[in-house]
Amino acid sequence: QSVLTQPPSVSGAPGQRVTISCTGSSSNIGAPYDVHWYQQLPGTAPKLLIYGNSNRPSGVPDRFSGSKSGTSASLAITGLQADDEADYYCQSYDSSLSVVFGGGTKLTVL
Amino acid sequence: QLQLQESGPGLVKPSETLSLTCTVSGGSISSRGYYWGWIRQPPGKGPEWIGYIFYSGGTYYHPSLKSRVTISVDTSKSQFSLSLTSVTAADTAVYYCARRDSGSDAFDMWGQGTMVTVSS
Repeated sequence: QSVLTQPPSVSGAPGQRVTISCTGSSSNIGAPYDVHWYQQLPGTAPKLLIYGNSNRPSGVPDRFSGSKSGTSASLAITGLQADDEADYYCQSYDSSLSVVFGGGTKLTVL
Repeated sequence: QLQLQESGPGLVKPSETLSLTCTVSGGSISSRGYYWGWIRQPPGKGPEWIGYIFYSGGTYYHPSLKSRVTISVDTSKSQFSLSLTSVTAADTAVYYCARRDSGSDAFDMWGQGTMVTVSS
């Protein structure tokens, strides 16, 4: 089981807004360590989408946003597009001296 | 543009040692602001951090893998390497090398990954 808990799947129609949650504990997200989000398109390596809870790397559209509160974090995607269909992973650090990832959420664009 | 490329055997026998190398191009492996790491992803599962190394040699490993893992760096070749001993089928995964930004702590650049299967 992953240290960070994500819903296995979410879905939405083109143009809609979806959110993906990432739940941790007082030893990681609540410690408080930063949360980062990655997008993994089928057959490719993960790509950094959000770093430091809410910051977008250069080139990432502002349709993607992140937030954090307490022991949880969320990724929001607005104006859903077909090519947003991918797996999304959250990542943080744990007081057990380990980088930790969520189990991933598969986004389906209906 | 920085690129990372993994290389190594795609098949390893149980109880043997898995060895992979990551070659960094388009940038310096000796940059003070970055760590160089390995992450693996078993089929159908989420990523699992293995460890990372600073260019000067300081290493950090996943607690559950620490007894079997060694990460080393060769700055003259712009490469860093992973050694995982006593492998079992549970070590079958896609192995990625990645750069960790020491400022944000995020993995901001990844290699394409290489599939390693542990089987006799």
